[in-house]
Amino acid sequence: QVQLVQSGSELKEPGASVKVSCEASGYTFTTYSINWVRQAPGQGLEWMGYINPGARNPTYAQGFTGRFVFSVDTSINTAFLQISSLKAEDTAIFYCARDTSWGVYDSWGQGTLVTVSS
Amino acid sequence: QSAPTQPASVSGTRGQSITISCTGTRSDVGTYNYLSWYQHHPGKAPKLVIYGVNNRPSGISNRFSGSKSGNTASLAISGLQAEDEADYYCTSRTTANTVVFGGGTKLTVL
Repeated sequence: QVQLVQSGSELKEPGASVKVSCEASGYTFTTYSINWVRQAPGQGLEWMGYINPGARNPTYAQGFTGRFVFSVDTSINTAFLQISSLKAEDTAIFYCARDTSWGVYDSWGQGTLVTVSS
Repeated sequence: QSAPTQPASVSGTRGQSITISCTGTRSDVGTYNYLSWYQHHPGKAPKLVIYGVNNRPSGISNRFSGSKSGNTASLAISGLQAEDEADYYCTSRTTANTVVFGGGTKLTVL
């Protein structure tokens, strides 16, 4: 069955970087884009953008350019979200999701909590 | 790109029916039928309950249904059950070739 498994929770200091992984199984990894979604504490879900594993071309939502980088390693069927120069306001749960068609997310990772605190 | 508007909260008693609206613009909800709904229990991954305006994924109860008129989409849940209590989000494709989430609605089952 289709499964996305994310890396574990992270505690980082302000200014550091973090890399969250999302390992896919149960389907051909290059067939569907991987989208990233953020949920800040007490807030709703927010679309961050996506990457097509086949073309490796990321698209970022407004507000997620510059410090946010999507990448993939097709040899291990894994997508990555890297955030640099972390700020306290980056504290959130980050989800990866398989997109079968413009916002149809039929499989999600379990979420990764990133906490930014000194 | 601003988020489609959803009511912050909706409530209903067990067995009752409720509707959650998702009001966007001609730049998103009004143009595309790429309209999905997600159920999100805190601490768990969101779950797709409706896609393509009114299609249910395999395994989703027929108590969930969707519709759209103009710039507003709606999710209806009939025969409310305790396990339906969750946050619900709509998503839509946009004319900028992005995806946007609605602001979310907290459903309380009394």
